[in-house]
Amino acid sequence: QKEVEQDPGPLSVPEGAIVSLNCTYSNSAFQYFMWYRQYSRKGPELLMYTYSSGNKEDGRFTAQVDKSSKYISLFIRDSQPSDSATYLCAMALGDSGGSNYKLTFGKGTLLTVNP
Amino acid sequence: DTGVSQNPRHKITKRGQNVTFRCDPISEHNRLYWYRQTLGQGPEFLTYFQNEAQLEKSRLLSDRFSAERPKGSFSTLEIQRTEQGDSAMYLCASSGAGLGHFGAGTRLSVL
Repeated sequence: QKEVEQDPGPLSVPEGAIVSLNCTYSNSAFQYFMWYRQYSRKGPELLMYTYSSGNKEDGRFTAQVDKSSKYISLFIRDSQPSDSATYLCAMALGDSGGSNYKLTFGKGTLLTVNP
Repeated sequence: DTGVSQNPRHKITKRGQNVTFRCDPISEHNRLYWYRQTLGQGPEFLTYFQNEAQLEKSRLLSDRFSAERPKGSFSTLEIQRTEQGDSAMYLCASSGAGLGHFGAGTRLSVL
């Protein structure tokens, strides 16, 4: 079993739809949870960052972490064609300064938003 | 702050050749990380430096791979005797007291 599991999709939705992306993990020591967006042949771009359990909202994006279930989600409201990309979840153990960027990634979910 | 810079962006080489990639981190970041991403997969951790010290290496980093960070500034990743299985995107990230940032990556194609 991989430490982080993510359905690779692909996922295709119409413009304006609500998108739900999910990851599960097995290592209960993970403390930092991130979502990255990656366009084709580009580096990952950080979208959302959450420490421990709870929700975090930023514009059209909401990240949820449920540590008891070892489950994280990213919701995209009013999806746009420009949201078409691969979405990667990532997790870190962290250190006292929270700056340990040794990340464990999911495989990524390829999302296409159709106009 | 010009972000994390990686060069070259794309490298094509023949099997058996040596290649070297460079990463210039964000100037105030003391930690630097290398990842490898193959097609259809998420990035996988290879190694990381705190200043000039290489503190951790993944078992993915075979003897043909070596990374350096002289003087705690830029870093190089060298692959000796490349194999077709080395074809991947090599990503560099740097971090300081806060969140890290990834570079655009170097795409290696081994023919």
